[in-house]
Amino acid sequence: EPEVTQTPSHQVTQMGQEVILRCVPISNHLYFYWYRQILGQKVEFLVSFYNNEISEKSEIFDDQFSVERPDGSNFTLKIRSTKLEDSAMYFCASSIQGARSYEQYFGPGTRLTVT
Amino acid sequence: AQSVAQPEDQVNVAEGNPLTVKCTYSVSGNPYLFWYVQYPNRGLQFLLKYITGDNLVKGSYGFEAEFNKSQTSFHLKKPSALVSDSALYFCAVRDEDGQNFVFGPGTRLSVLP
Repeated sequence: EPEVTQTPSHQVTQMGQEVILRCVPISNHLYFYWYRQILGQKVEFLVSFYNNEISEKSEIFDDQFSVERPDGSNFTLKIRSTKLEDSAMYFCASSIQGARSYEQYFGPGTRLTVT
Repeated sequence: AQSVAQPEDQVNVAEGNPLTVKCTYSVSGNPYLFWYVQYPNRGLQFLLKYITGDNLVKGSYGFEAEFNKSQTSFHLKKPSALVSDSALYFCAVRDEDGQNFVFGPGTRLSVLP
């Protein structure tokens, strides 16, 4: 069964550094998402992406964040200058359609630790 | 704005007994409701969804969920729990205006042998 994959599984970085989290969505999916989960808290929506454009973003997704689909398979989340409060598990998801009735398929996550 | 509540942080049940994981929601318009499960070191796995139609929805691994509009609930159920069902369960909702999920805080299910 096709799966969403994410690399790395764990990233440790120093405050102020840039990080790029990578995701490979399911190959025939067209809609891509990033979520995060701060330890012990809810899973929170960050951004959705379709047709090489951001289609929706949350208040969390400020100017420090950016997303890109650099080629036909990867989908990346960049944090320009990390802060301590960016420490969280980051999940990538994809769906075949963007309609509200369609489920999203999630990757295993990247644990980001900012020191 | 939509919201999801899962009133129990932890549910313990003996293997072979029925299990229920509770979820209530608040949305404008018709809700689109989902259950996901998270095993250790894995991503969220889709279990089932309610969009329209029958209030009882059947999903993966023998799970089902009952949509109750008057009580704004969407409780996850399984007639006979397995130890392997032990995991973190998330209820999620989308309303007619929102493309993206709003997740509940999660309920940790422990099935004891």
